[in-house]
Amino acid sequence: GIQVEQSPPDLILQEGANSTLRCNFSDSVNNLQWFHQNPWGQLINLFYIPSGTKQNGRLSATTVATERYSLLYISSSQTTDSGVYFCAAYQGGSEKLVFGKGTKLTVNP
Amino acid sequence: DSGVTQTPKHLITATGQRVTLRCSPRSGDLSVYWYQQSLDQGLQFLIQYYNGEERAKGNILERFSAQQFPDLHSELNLSSLELGDSALYFCASSVAGGTGVIFFGQGTRLTVV
Repeated sequence: GIQVEQSPPDLILQEGANSTLRCNFSDSVNNLQWFHQNPWGQLINLFYIPSGTKQNGRLSATTVATERYSLLYISSSQTTDSGVYFCAAYQGGSEKLVFGKGTKLTVNP
Repeated sequence: DSGVTQTPKHLITATGQRVTLRCSPRSGDLSVYWYQQSLDQGLQFLIQYYNGEERAKGNILERFSAQQFPDLHSELNLSSLELGDSALYFCASSVAGGTGVIFFGQGTRLTVV
């Protein structure tokens, strides 16, 4: 089955800093999504990005499907950005959405 | 609000008991997914249904079962509960299976004592 790997596993930033989170996947995927799990446990959709680049405020994401990776950029980080960021992709030929282990982001004031 | 509704939000029960978690998908979504997230763990896929039919299965224990009803809501039944079953259980929905955006409910936090 598909493997989804995220790096780094942990990231600590000062407020205002920029960061890049990476997601590698072992096989070609048709769909890739990024989620943010806030400290209260809620899973929030950030991007549905099978390929290309999208931006939403201070966040942007890029997926290069041919090279099997996706990047999530967070600019001018805020304390409310803290939490765990997950990427997920559907296993080829299956309806099973596979998650990476996440990147735990802590933004300090 | 994602539009996916899970009840109850919190559940505390004793070992050996059985519980039922309920999920109502977003309006128009035919596919329902269940995930388990233990403390400091990632999201483990349990099972997925599309329009009442089981479509994909993960490492779901035999003590666990699920179904999707004709009105598209889904229930996850957990029986003979053990301490290790304590976790956050998420339901998610999407229009179709295997493609498209998936939205998560707020989860049910199960504590087995």
